[in-house]
Amino acid sequence: DARVTQTPRHKVTEMGQEVTMRCQPILGHNTVFWYRQTMMQGLELLAYFRNRAPLDDSGMPKDRFSAEMPDATLATLKIQPSEPRDSAVYFCASGLEQLHQPQHFGDGTRLSIL
Amino acid sequence: KNQVEQSPQSLIILEGKNCTLQCNYTVSPFSNLRWYKQDTGRGPVSLTIMTFSENTKSNGRYTATLDADTKQSSLHITASQLSDSASYICVVKPRNRDDKIIFGKGTRLHILP
Repeated sequence: DARVTQTPRHKVTEMGQEVTMRCQPILGHNTVFWYRQTMMQGLELLAYFRNRAPLDDSGMPKDRFSAEMPDATLATLKIQPSEPRDSAVYFCASGLEQLHQPQHFGDGTRLSIL
Repeated sequence: KNQVEQSPQSLIILEGKNCTLQCNYTVSPFSNLRWYKQDTGRGPVSLTIMTFSENTKSNGRYTATLDADTKQSSLHITASQLSDSASYICVVKPRNRDDKIIFGKGTRLHILP
């Protein structure tokens, strides 16, 4: 089965460091989503791409977060500088734009900022 | 404000028993309602997707129902198995493309042998 691949699976770093998370969407999918999951808030949408173009990044703190799709096989989410409150699990999901199609999630990057 | 509320927050049942998870939403109008299963340490996996015009959808031992009048959905699990231990998340996609998808906070289900 085709899968969304996220790297790294775990990341521990100190406050102030740059963090880059990567996602390889399923080949042929034209939408990519970045989510953050915490115990308190559940899943929150951070950014959304369609055909590699950013459509919605209103869920991201713009001063420190950035999301890009340099090509159709790679999506990145960067945090610079990182803060302890950024500790969470970050999920990437991909899907097809057609109505009523499910999103396929990766297994996430568990980020801990010390 | 668009919201999705799930209940109970957590549930413990014995293997082989049935259970029902609830999802109440205020999103209106909506395009579809989805149930996802999330195993510990993994990403969510889609179980069912229902449009606003559907009122039931099955996937093996999982059956989702939708009452658009009362804005309620339920996920019924029949003959539970240990592998059903997971979080179950209700997700509503608004019909307005400019509105964000709304996630519930999930129900944590524990199946005991």
